[in-house]
Amino acid sequence: NAGVTQTPKFRILKIGQSMTLQCTQDMNHNYMYWYRQDPGMGLKLIYYSVGAGITDKGEVPNGYNVSRSTTEDFPLRLELAAPSQTSVYFCASRNLAGTATYEQYFGPGTRLTVT
Amino acid sequence: KNQVEQSPQSLIILEGKNCTLQCNYTVSPFSNLRWYKQDTGRGPVSLTIMTFSENTKSNGRYTATLDADTKQSSLHITASQLSDSASYICVVSAGNDMRFGAGTRLTVKP
Repeated sequence: NAGVTQTPKFRILKIGQSMTLQCTQDMNHNYMYWYRQDPGMGLKLIYYSVGAGITDKGEVPNGYNVSRSTTEDFPLRLELAAPSQTSVYFCASRNLAGTATYEQYFGPGTRLTVT
Repeated sequence: KNQVEQSPQSLIILEGKNCTLQCNYTVSPFSNLRWYKQDTGRGPVSLTIMTFSENTKSNGRYTATLDADTKQSSLHITASQLSDSASYICVVSAGNDMRFGAGTRLTVKP
């Protein structure tokens, strides 16, 4: 299993440009998440999905959109990039385990700079 | 407000020494507490997961403790190695809501 994969690893955008961060998992996990990590701060949840066709906002969703057409893929879309979106973005997934000790797996991250 | 505070922000130790990292939280209602290790340029990797009823959990040289009464956790690293250099992140869950601490940056020097 490759686990959670993200592309691209790095990207520089100009203000106002748009792009899609790709996330794929091959563990057949129902739950998928997008986080951003800013220097000196904890990860913040942007959007999450509990299954194909279902998405919901997290703590910091403004400026982002997501879709979940398949179990495997959970792309994150930035429509009008702003400098405030400069960050490292992590995708994560977990299964539908009913216990409180489910395991969450993270991708390697995408470092985005908006100038 | 659901908060997770970690201390110290950064720590430098010599190889072979032990260290302890702290995590205080106000997250409620408590579901579980996790410690993650994040190497530079990589995603976080789970070290331990503890529920309300557990007060200690080990994973090799890593031992996490939890005091749910005082809402404090610690991560103790024994006989540190150069490969332990990383950020260590405390994450506290209230149901499906996960709150991440800012992490402690550990540097192990030879």
